[in-house]
Amino acid sequence: GENVEQHPSTLSVQEGDSAVIKCTYSDSASNYFPWYKQELGKRPQLIIDIRSNVGEKKDQRIAVTLNKTAKHFSLHITETQPEDSAVYFCAATLSGGSNYKLTFGKGTLLTVNP
Amino acid sequence: SQTIHQWPATLVQPVGSPLSLECTVEGTSNPNLYWYRQAAGRGLQLLFYSVGIGQISSEVPQNLSASRPQDRQFILSSKKLLLSDSGFYLCAWSVRVGRSPLHFGNGTRLTVT
Repeated sequence: GENVEQHPSTLSVQEGDSAVIKCTYSDSASNYFPWYKQELGKRPQLIIDIRSNVGEKKDQRIAVTLNKTAKHFSLHITETQPEDSAVYFCAATLSGGSNYKLTFGKGTLLTVNP
Repeated sequence: SQTIHQWPATLVQPVGSPLSLECTVEGTSNPNLYWYRQAAGRGLQLLFYSVGIGQISSEVPQNLSASRPQDRQFILSSKKLLLSDSGFYLCAWSVRVGRSPLHFGNGTRLTVT
């Protein structure tokens, strides 16, 4: 099955700096990679996703890059703000077949210091 | 638009008592449904998923069970709770897994005392 490794487990940055979270996956057939943000005590919410036919996707201050050869993908947050503080999860999954599961990384606690 | 309802929001139960958490989805048909558990400060552990009525796949051996009596209803149950069952339980749905994201409910915080 799929295995997703996420680093770092904690990340502290100053407001205005950039933050980068990296994930690697094991199954080369995986083709969908979403990122979730979870604020304390709340549900995870999708912030951006990328499919394997795309190398990069950007949405305002958030971007995700995918390197299929190396089997890793990264979340980039620019001009960080205190409200970006949360736990971020990456995930990977296969399309089709009998695999209907998203495999999540263990999460990164991001703290943005004002 | 699609919405997911999960209840109760919080629950305190004694060890050995039964459990029933319910989740319903509105605005879509034949969703894939999931139950995740999140221990304090930990990641998301998939417990069960369902691709249709009566079809349940279990990911982790445990004293929990799941049922899908209707297309958009997913229930998580236990006959006898253990202390280790404490955690944040999240129901989620998706349209076509692998090409679409999971959408989570607000979660149930379960404390077993």
